[in-house]
Amino acid sequence: EPEVTQTPSHQVTQMGQEVILRCVPISNHLYFYWYRQILGQKVEFLVSFYNNEISEKSEIFDDQFSVERPDGSNFTLKIRSTKLEDSAMYFCASSIDVAVGGDGYTFGSGTRLTVV
Amino acid sequence: EDQVTQSPEALRLQEGESSSLNCSYTVSGLRGLFWYRQDPGKGPEFLFTLYSAGEEKEKERLKATLTKKESFLHITAPKPEDSATYLCAVQARGADGLTFGKGTHLIIQP
Repeated sequence: EPEVTQTPSHQVTQMGQEVILRCVPISNHLYFYWYRQILGQKVEFLVSFYNNEISEKSEIFDDQFSVERPDGSNFTLKIRSTKLEDSAMYFCASSIDVAVGGDGYTFGSGTRLTVV
Repeated sequence: EDQVTQSPEALRLQEGESSSLNCSYTVSGLRGLFWYRQDPGKGPEFLFTLYSAGEEKEKERLKATLTKKESFLHITAPKPEDSATYLCAVQARGADGLTFGKGTHLIIQP
């Protein structure tokens, strides 16, 4: 069964450092997403990406965040200057069509980001 | 603002003891309501999508139902392997993102 792959599974970084979280979506999917889950809290939508541009972003996705599809297979989330409150599990997801919503959402296993 | 509230926060059942999980929601035009299962350290795994009030879907021991204000996930004769956190999420019309509830942590004891 096709899956979304995220690397690394766990990353520790110092406050103020830049981090890049990487994802390989399912190959025939067209929509890509980032969500985060702070420990003990809800899964929260960050951003959706389609046709090489941001389709929608939440209030959380401020100027310190950026996304990119640098080649035909990878999808990345960059956090420019990490803060302690950025510590969370970050999930990448992909879907073949946003119109079917969560039907086509496949989530990766996540990257646990710890900012110290 | 779209909101999803799940109850109970945690539920411990004996194997074979049926029960229901609740998801109350408010959304500005519902595109879909989704149920996911999440195991520790893993991403959410899709279970069901419901689009309109009165709709029901079933998969093995799980059955999801939808009204205009809430959804229920019914678990019939659960097994220990059904232990997980069950997440409810809504998607508004015209939106890409999902709004999730905090989930119900379900433990099935043998």
